[in-house]
Amino acid sequence: EAEVAQSPRYKITEKSQAVAFWCDPISGHATLYWYRQILGQGPELLVQFQDESVVDDSQLPKDRFSAERLKGVDSTLKIQPAELGDSAMYLCASSPGKWGGTDTQYFGPGTRLTVL
Amino acid sequence: AQTVTQSQPEMSVQEAETVTLSCTYDTSESDYYLFWYKQPPSRQMILVIRQEAYKQQNATENRFSVNFQKAAKSFSLKISDSQLGDAAMYFCAYSNSNSGYALNFGKGTSLLVTP
Repeated sequence: EAEVAQSPRYKITEKSQAVAFWCDPISGHATLYWYRQILGQGPELLVQFQDESVVDDSQLPKDRFSAERLKGVDSTLKIQPAELGDSAMYLCASSPGKWGGTDTQYFGPGTRLTVL
Repeated sequence: AQTVTQSQPEMSVQEAETVTLSCTYDTSESDYYLFWYKQPPSRQMILVIRQEAYKQQNATENRFSVNFQKAAKSFSLKISDSQLGDAAMYFCAYSNSNSGYALNFGKGTSLLVTP
């Protein structure tokens, strides 16, 4: 069964350093989401892509976060510089159709970031 | 903005028994989708069940069913014949076209299943 891949699974960094997370959605999925999940809370959307285009990045802290999906396939989320408050699980999800719609979102295993 | 509220941080159920997890939401939209996702410890989130707001019939998936009360904006999940593998965090989520169908999650309910 196809799955969403994410790497690394765990990342420990010091504040002010740069970190990058990678996501490979299920093949053929047009919509890709990055969510951030703080311990003890539900995930919150950071950015949504439709193919290679950003659909919604209104909750992305653009002074330090960036995201790209250059060829409309895999995606990278970067934080520079990392802050203590960025410690969280970063989840990637994908769905088959355009604009998400009624499609189920399939989640990857996440990247657990710890900022020291 | 739509909000999703899960008022039960933790629930406990004995194996083979039934448990109901609560969820309420706030929206002014008439067309939307509701979901329950399960997040086992150290494993990825998976969809348990979904409900389209335009459907009056409550969704069911094997041992999982929902009680969707649109007027009350309530969407509870019932798990029948609970199994040890049901132990997980359960998240209620909302989506609609205004947000590009991105999921808006509640804070979650931790379900413990005891033998």
